[in-house]
Amino acid sequence: SAVISQKPSRDICQRGTSLTIQCQVDSQVTMMFWYRQQPGQSLTLIATANQGSEATYESGFVIDKFPISRPNLTFSTLTVSNMSPEDSSIYLCSVEDPRTLYGYTFGSGTRLTVV
Amino acid sequence: AQTVTQSQPEMSVQEAETVTLSCTYDTSENNYYLFWYKQPPSRQMILVIRQEAYKQQNATENRFSVNFQKAAKSFSLKISDSQLGDTAMYFCAFVVGLTSYDKVIFGPGTSLSVIP
Repeated sequence: SAVISQKPSRDICQRGTSLTIQCQVDSQVTMMFWYRQQPGQSLTLIATANQGSEATYESGFVIDKFPISRPNLTFSTLTVSNMSPEDSSIYLCSVEDPRTLYGYTFGSGTRLTVV
Repeated sequence: AQTVTQSQPEMSVQEAETVTLSCTYDTSENNYYLFWYKQPPSRQMILVIRQEAYKQQNATENRFSVNFQKAAKSFSLKISDSQLGDTAMYFCAFVVGLTSYDKVIFGPGTSLSVIP
């Protein structure tokens, strides 16, 4: 299956600051997905990132708060901007795995704590 | 609306025993894919098993098998010979369509504990 390297694995940030999370895939993929997993909760899709175009955001998520870059077919970043304690979550990137038909592979996640 | 329901927030099973996790979903589509994902404390999401809705035969992967009832929109996961390493959150999920533009819908999860 595809291998995704997600960085950082965890961080503790001050409120009002921003954090950029990176995901690098070992193969070219059309779409990359960014999820938020709040403590004890399931995964919620933040946005879908297609190379060469603006990301598509889900209801409740806006570009100013969660800007996404997708400069090529193997890399994407998610920035959590102007953070507050409510942003404390695990953030995960995911791709539709080209080597596992309709299986989605996930990065190892970034555990963000905002203080 | 497309939804996934997992009615068992927590379950436990003795090591080497069998346990079944339930999942129901709602969609008006006919073609879709169903998944079970495992998330251990390391938080890595691991694909356990996948089922194509157009296939009547239930998927199996070693100790993991599913009972797929399309008419009832039910997709349960059976874990046989449970091992301590099976302790994790288990998420049922599905995706509609045949393109890369479809998002995965996740259920709320079932926390499984395997007891030695």
